[in-house]
Amino acid sequence: GAGVSQSPSNKVTEKGKDVELRCDPISGHTALYWYRQSLGQGLEFLIYFQGNSAPDKSGLPSDRFSAERTGGSVSTLTIQRTQQEDSAVYLCASSFQQEWRAFFGQGTRLTVV
Amino acid sequence: EDKVVQSPLSLVVHEGDTVTLNCSYEVTNFRSLLWYKQEKKAPTFLFMLTSSGIEKKSGRLSSILDKKELFSILNITATQTGDSAVYLCAVNNAGNMLTFGGGTRLMVKP
Repeated sequence: GAGVSQSPSNKVTEKGKDVELRCDPISGHTALYWYRQSLGQGLEFLIYFQGNSAPDKSGLPSDRFSAERTGGSVSTLTIQRTQQEDSAVYLCASSFQQEWRAFFGQGTRLTVV
Repeated sequence: EDKVVQSPLSLVVHEGDTVTLNCSYEVTNFRSLLWYKQEKKAPTFLFMLTSSGIEKKSGRLSSILDKKELFSILNITATQTGDSAVYLCAVNNAGNMLTFGGGTRLMVKP
């Protein structure tokens, strides 16, 4: 696609429910990143994919968070049993392995009520 | 663990002023340093720097990297209200891992 696409753009969910956030990277980009940004805060690294594998999962805040990437393309970030502190904007970015410059999607604003 | 520190945390200036934003880093196997501007949700790319001493310039914005002292600066001259944003610095390591600093929040008053 022309840019990194994330869906949904906004999601309101009840505490305790599971949510799935989707990221469709730029075609051909091998690296994919997930970040979280709480209101007024900096970007918090969650997980990074190189192809379908995730060399670094160190940023996932708890075992309620998981992510997968299939076919070296679309990635899904799943949050189980959501809590209010999960409310944030979840940003996805992708890049070519060799180019090192990441392009961001518009993010998903998650609100847990 | 890779680390990026930006300063100042926030800055308020008036239109026409010149500002300098700082980014210092510690990274294993440095590949590049990137600057982004974040106004709403998604950061937009400004510059990528890989070599020391070579200034990158785009209009009123410019940036330079010092790989010996492990820092970069982003300069904005003749600031405008549209420059108000959070400016993010990130470093990329050999594993293609991006680490972001906490950002500098710039507010330009008319």
